[in-house]
Amino acid sequence: GNSVTQMEGPVTLSEEAFLTINCTYTATGYPSLFWYVQYPGEGLQLLLKATKADDKGSNKGFEATYRKETTSFHLEKGSVQVSDSAVYFCALEGYNFNKFYFGSGTKLNVKP
Amino acid sequence: EADIYQTPRYLVIGTGKKITLECSQTMGHDKMYWYQQDPGMELHLIHYSYGVNSTEKGDLSSESTVSRIRTEHFPLTLESARPSHTSQYLCASSRTTPRKENTEAFFGQGTRLTVV
Repeated sequence: GNSVTQMEGPVTLSEEAFLTINCTYTATGYPSLFWYVQYPGEGLQLLLKATKADDKGSNKGFEATYRKETTSFHLEKGSVQVSDSAVYFCALEGYNFNKFYFGSGTKLNVKP
Repeated sequence: EADIYQTPRYLVIGTGKKITLECSQTMGHDKMYWYQQDPGMELHLIHYSYGVNSTEKGDLSSESTVSRIRTEHFPLTLESARPSHTSQYLCASSRTTPRKENTEAFFGQGTRLTVV
């Protein structure tokens, strides 16, 4: 079956620190992979995505690379800002476009 | 830009009342979803639809029901609200596309339901 596992939070960093949030997945076939971000009181917004192996998704300084050999899609940012404080969700869409599967979310707190 | 709307944003209601949470999208997406989000942030899929007159239960059992009479509309109904139904409910939609590069789920802003 399909599932997503991401590192538990909260993750607390100082401004300008390097960020990594780990995400691994289990899926049949070749899923599409996503990172979504949720700000307080809001729905989820797409942050970046990758649809095939070795693709790198990037947006707003965040990056993630689709690693089929390790079934991973880790989120990274070189220098976080206070405004990056939010909850981050790793997700996959099943190969046959059936459903989206989400990880449990990782809360990021960035301190000034 | 996401064109998916949920109403109301916040709802406080007494036990035993019937409620309907509205979700509409103007993107012509064939698939729609309802997620329940617990205080620990985890998202649980409770209902989904592949198109008009198609509805399926999700991975988390829910006493709510849904309908999909029109492509753009996917309301969720609780016949008799209970305090255990207190949660954040998120609606989402996506389009079946032959090009994986175009795939994405769009989310509404959510409805925070409190049953007292």
